[in-house]
Amino acid sequence: GAVVSQHPSWVICKSGTSVKIECRSLDFQATTMFWYRQFPKQSLMLMATSNEGSKATYEQGVEKDKFLINHASLTLSTLTVTSAHPEDSSFYICSARETGSFGNEQFFGPGTRLTVL
Amino acid sequence: GDSVTQMEGPVTLSEEAFLTINCTYTATGYPSLFWYVQYPGEGLQLLLKATKADDKGSNKGFEATYRKETTSFHLEKGSVQVSDSAVYFCARTLSGGYQKVTFGIGTKLQVIP
Repeated sequence: GAVVSQHPSWVICKSGTSVKIECRSLDFQATTMFWYRQFPKQSLMLMATSNEGSKATYEQGVEKDKFLINHASLTLSTLTVTSAHPEDSSFYICSARETGSFGNEQFFGPGTRLTVL
Repeated sequence: GDSVTQMEGPVTLSEEAFLTINCTYTATGYPSLFWYVQYPGEGLQLLLKATKADDKGSNKGFEATYRKETTSFHLEKGSVQVSDSAVYFCARTLSGGYQKVTFGIGTKLQVIP
């Protein structure tokens, strides 16, 4: 089946630093990837849609300068949390849609736990 | 707006018990509906889906029927196993774009031997 990986699986950083999270589709090409954020005991919240070769589309209320998304290839999207603060601590999950698929199934990565001290 | 509401867990059942996890959705647009499952330490996996009213999605003994009249998509399984222990998410596509999906809060299921 389609596999999506994320790296790192967890990261701890100091306040003010930037953290990059990678999302890779391992056995398929993904023109579109999605980035979600999940708080404890809450649902996944869509942050942005990442499109290969073009700018990401951010959901309302998500700061694009805070959460930089780069989708430079058909198998890799990165999310950079810039100048991280403790309130950015969360579980970040990516998903990917296979290029050319007509269905709306998304394949999810295992998530990245970010803790900002 | 587009949203789904599902029962909060955790739900604890004995092995072979009957499972129902309730999910309702807002009646905006013509959404596709999904159940995703997240096993411990793994990513979300699509469990089943239904794309229009009265469709029944089924997989691994789980079933859910797209009920437009009650705006519901309840997940059921006749006999749960310990291996079904996971978090289950109900989801729907957004009206503005079929690619986007919004999720319920997730229901943790624990099945004990």
